[in-house]
Amino acid sequence: RKEVEQDPGPFNVPEGATVAFNCTYSNSASQSFFWYRQDCRKEPKLLMSVYSSGNEDGRFTAQLNRASQYISLLIRDSKLSDSATYLCVVAELMNSGYSTLTFGKGTMLLVSP
Amino acid sequence: EAGVAQSPRYKIIEKRQSVAFWCNPISGHATLYWYQQILGQGPKLLIQFQNNGVVDDSQLPKDRFSAERLKGVDSTLKIQPAKLEDSAVYLCASSLGERRTNTGELFFGEGSRLTVL
Repeated sequence: RKEVEQDPGPFNVPEGATVAFNCTYSNSASQSFFWYRQDCRKEPKLLMSVYSSGNEDGRFTAQLNRASQYISLLIRDSKLSDSATYLCVVAELMNSGYSTLTFGKGTMLLVSP
Repeated sequence: EAGVAQSPRYKIIEKRQSVAFWCNPISGHATLYWYQQILGQGPKLLIQFQNNGVVDDSQLPKDRFSAERLKGVDSTLKIQPAKLEDSAVYLCASSLGERRTNTGELFFGEGSRLTVL
């Protein structure tokens, strides 16, 4: 099974800081890429998709570099409520024609006052 | 809209005992997933169903784990016999499940937390 690698952190940053997370994946044939957010003792929830052209959603920017097999997430103007674990997720197309999603171990972010 | 329902929320058993978890996905979602999340790690896919057929079960320890999705709706995941290393949160998720496209949006239940003593 292909791997998705992330720095586990934790990343400790003050409110207002900009922080970036990276993720690498081993399967060059991977189709789609996503960032999920998981709060402590809660279930994961989709934060945003990652497109080849890069995409932005408010304070969050995601980028994909297919040549380097690398995905990033940038959070600007960090809020206390951004404290969570950020999971990098890669979708691979199976022989069945359906995709399966592989999660990284996650990067923990702690934003302090 | 009702979300993914799972039960029980918590279960404590001794090693070598058996346990079963139940999941009811979002109505109309064809794809159902069972993930295992050990503390400090990301979710690991155990099995993926498309309607009532298995799409991927390559990481399911088939000597002790089994899962079914009769009638393509509810699903159960069973562990028999349990080992200490099975202590984890078992997350059920569902998605619309279109072939060859993937919006990447899985809707997770709150999980079933298993402790094996």
